[in-house]
Amino acid sequence: SQQGEEDPQALSIQEGENATMNCSYKTSINNLQWYRQNSGRGLVHLILIRSNEREKHSGRLRVTLDTSKKSSSLLITASRAADTASYFCATHTGTASKLTFGTGTRLQVTL
Amino acid sequence: EAQVTQNPRYLITVTGKKLTVTCSQNMNHEYMSWYRQDPGLGLRQIYYSMNVEVTDKGDVPEGYKVSRKEKRNFPLILESPSPNQTSLYFCASSTRTGGNYGYTFGSGTRLTVV
Repeated sequence: SQQGEEDPQALSIQEGENATMNCSYKTSINNLQWYRQNSGRGLVHLILIRSNEREKHSGRLRVTLDTSKKSSSLLITASRAADTASYFCATHTGTASKLTFGTGTRLQVTL
Repeated sequence: EAQVTQNPRYLITVTGKKLTVTCSQNMNHEYMSWYRQDPGLGLRQIYYSMNVEVTDKGDVPEGYKVSRKEKRNFPLILESPSPNQTSLYFCASSTRTGGNYGYTFGSGTRLTVV
């Protein structure tokens, strides 16, 4: 069962532009996390935002969380070709012993 | 280097031939989990373990077994693989409970069952 749903499914931008990806979820969460996956490789944890937080930064990444709309966004500023990857949001809910992942946004950054 | 190590990276096998995918982490994490990733379905949890000798089913446990005899290892066993288990498998670990902290993932095992 999928909790998070990313939008758009695919995004193509030029190097130097900003990339924004959105995630919507269905039930109340403890936290929401963003991961990056390079083609066929393991996922890499980027950032975690807790339900009582509204915004978080890490380097060129900015994550916002709106619990009233059950949505989050990931902004990558000044994108680079190396940012080309799939990005997944994952939610942790209640006492669940797992993260539930969305189907991801595929980001292509061209030179 | 802190990491989760999965082996093998690629595996092609025939229907019904038992196989084991190994997973080992060097971070002393209590929590470990297996996911499978399929196109259009995202990542789905197969099994997880909160600590040694404590395992439980995830969302898609049918056809899989796991064990957690040591803290660092969490092998995934397919007793009688079938073609619908062809997938990309990931092992992940985390400190404490599964979800309150970020996961560290292995590099994945691409399994093909013919």
